[in-house]
Amino acid sequence: GIQVEQSPPDLILQEGANSTLRCNFSDSVNNLQWFHQNPWGQLINLFYIPSGTKQNGRLSATTVATERYSLLYISSSQTTDSGVYFCAVEGATDSWGKLQFGAGTQVVVTP
Amino acid sequence: GAVVSQHPSRVICKSGTSVKIECRSLDFQATTMFWYRQFPKQSLMLMATSNEGSKATYEQGVEKDKFLINHASLTLSTLTVTSAHPEDSSFYICSALDWGSGVSGANVLTFGAGSRLTVL
Repeated sequence: GIQVEQSPPDLILQEGANSTLRCNFSDSVNNLQWFHQNPWGQLINLFYIPSGTKQNGRLSATTVATERYSLLYISSSQTTDSGVYFCAVEGATDSWGKLQFGAGTQVVVTP
Repeated sequence: GAVVSQHPSRVICKSGTSVKIECRSLDFQATTMFWYRQFPKQSLMLMATSNEGSKATYEQGVEKDKFLINHASLTLSTLTVTSAHPEDSSFYICSALDWGSGVSGANVLTFGAGSRLTVL
């Protein structure tokens, strides 16, 4: 199956700092999503981004499908940004909605 | 936006008993739902694909007799952990596929809040 690698595994930021999270995937994808899992376990969909660039407030994401990677940018980080960020992909040969998750990046934003 | 409700959020049971977890799509019909489990500080692992009106499709290594999935309506899928043991303790999360939602008509998955199972 498709492999998804995220880096870095852990990230400690001071409030106000910017950061970039990376997701590499091993094969063509129909779908790529970025999620934020809060400390209570709820997964929040941040971006549906199989290709191109999107922005939502302080967050933005870019996927370069031809080079099989996606980046999530967090600008002016806040303590509420803490949590685990997952990249998940639906392989081109997988059935719709069947996501393969990366191992996640644990982000801690300190005051 | 699309909302998926999962119940219960937390459950503690004795070893050997069965536990049922519900996953409901509240404002859309979901012909397909997915069940994941997540161990502490680990990623989500897909357990099975739940299809309304037909049998679930299980991932390799997942015991279908252990984890019974029923998708009897377009808004409800249930996961029953049968004869639960302490090693079944985990965070179980469902997602529902909302066909045609999202930007440019792309299908988007919405996740429930998860159910934390502790087996004593």
